[in-house]
Amino acid sequence: AQSVTQLDSQVPVFEEAPVELRCNYSSSVSVYLFWYVQYPNQGLQLLLKYLSGSTLVKGINGFEAEFNKSQTSFHLRKPSVHISDTAEYFCAVSEWGTGGFKTIFGAGTRLFVKA
Amino acid sequence: SQTIHQWPATLVQPVGSPLSLECTVEGTSNPNLYWYRQAAGRGLQLLFYSVGIGQISSEVPQNLSASRPQDRQFILSSKKLLLSDSGFYLCAWSPEDRPTYEQYFGPGTRLTVT
Repeated sequence: AQSVTQLDSQVPVFEEAPVELRCNYSSSVSVYLFWYVQYPNQGLQLLLKYLSGSTLVKGINGFEAEFNKSQTSFHLRKPSVHISDTAEYFCAVSEWGTGGFKTIFGAGTRLFVKA
Repeated sequence: SQTIHQWPATLVQPVGSPLSLECTVEGTSNPNLYWYRQAAGRGLQLLFYSVGIGQISSEVPQNLSASRPQDRQFILSSKKLLLSDSGFYLCAWSPEDRPTYEQYFGPGTRLTVT
């Protein structure tokens, strides 16, 4: 069975500093990987995704993530954060299994950007 | 373009009362539809998903149910709400025929059971 672990529940960071939000997963088959962002009292929006090909994926709002198959990780990074990046970020993993196509979300990481 | 609607946006209901949350998708046909619950400080819990009219799969046994009476309409219901049903309910859809696999989320319904 697949699982997704977001290693930090909260990440405080100062404006213009770099940030990394960590995500590890477990799966025995090929996976598709996603990062979503959720602003307060809103639904989730897709930031970026990895389906195949280059392991470095660039998304919206200056975010990028790197797929590391050997480490089973998909960490999200941004070189310089803004106050407006304050939100909750979810890592998600999808795979084909015996029960069909399933997606599992991590518990989320709350990014708090301070002035 | 495709859009997804959820209503109501907020709801306060007493314990033991019924529930009906509605989700509709525009601009696409035969989408896969999902209901998630997000409890305070926790991640997303998949409640139900549907690959077609009348086809509902339940991920977690509980006092909630889902129905899909039309291709682009997904309804979450309960006959008697519990305090533990409080949370943020999100509806999502994904394309049936594009192998991109991401999900598109509605704005959510915040349910408070008192």
